[in-house]
Amino acid sequence: DADVTQTPRNRITKTGKRIMLECSQTKGHDRMYWYRQDPGLGLRLIYYSFDVKDINKGEISDGYSVSRQAQAKFSLSLESAIPNQTALYFCATSDLKGGPGANVLTFGAGSRLTVL
Amino acid sequence: AQKITQTQPGMFVQEKEAVTLDCTYDTSDPSYGLFWYKQPSSGEMIFLIYQGSYDQQNATEGRYSLNFQKARKSANLVISASQLGDSAMYFCAMREANTGNQFYFGTGTSLTVIP
Repeated sequence: DADVTQTPRNRITKTGKRIMLECSQTKGHDRMYWYRQDPGLGLRLIYYSFDVKDINKGEISDGYSVSRQAQAKFSLSLESAIPNQTALYFCATSDLKGGPGANVLTFGAGSRLTVL
Repeated sequence: AQKITQTQPGMFVQEKEAVTLDCTYDTSDPSYGLFWYKQPSSGEMIFLIYQGSYDQQNATEGRYSLNFQKARKSANLVISASQLGDSAMYFCAMREANTGNQFYFGTGTSLTVIP
């Protein structure tokens, strides 16, 4: 099984619908992140969480919300999806234990969302 | 200002040749880490190599090496003996200690290996 699992892998929805992307991890990492990838723009940070009680906005949080239900689970919600939220979404985890070299982002396989 | 700049949207390299993918970064934090990730057409993000700001030696991982020039704030990825499977998008990223260890990504370079 993958260390970081994202569901669903692909989703097509309509404008105005509420969508939840889920992420779970088995690495025991404290830190979890949601990124969005658009062609030509690289990866942009939406939200991140350093533990269950810590949620922080990233570069492009407008239109998104998150919930850290447990150390291992971090979900991303689009309350009312719009077409320009069509993108590839990545969940990632990291951990500072083990020194700076251990602080590598481990990514899920991605969730491709299309908003019509 | 962009934290990470990758100026090569697309690169081509002949199989078995070496190729350098450019990355420059912008930070005033003395403590930071630099990373390269590979994204094949299947979409997953694969970690390749890491360089810490205090590391004296350039990082190497198999056919990958990171040419770290601190004064120039560059962290170029060198892939030696290119293989067809190296065709992918490559992203440079930086983690800064003074921004809560957030990761910043460049826009990526698409590498195509020609047989």
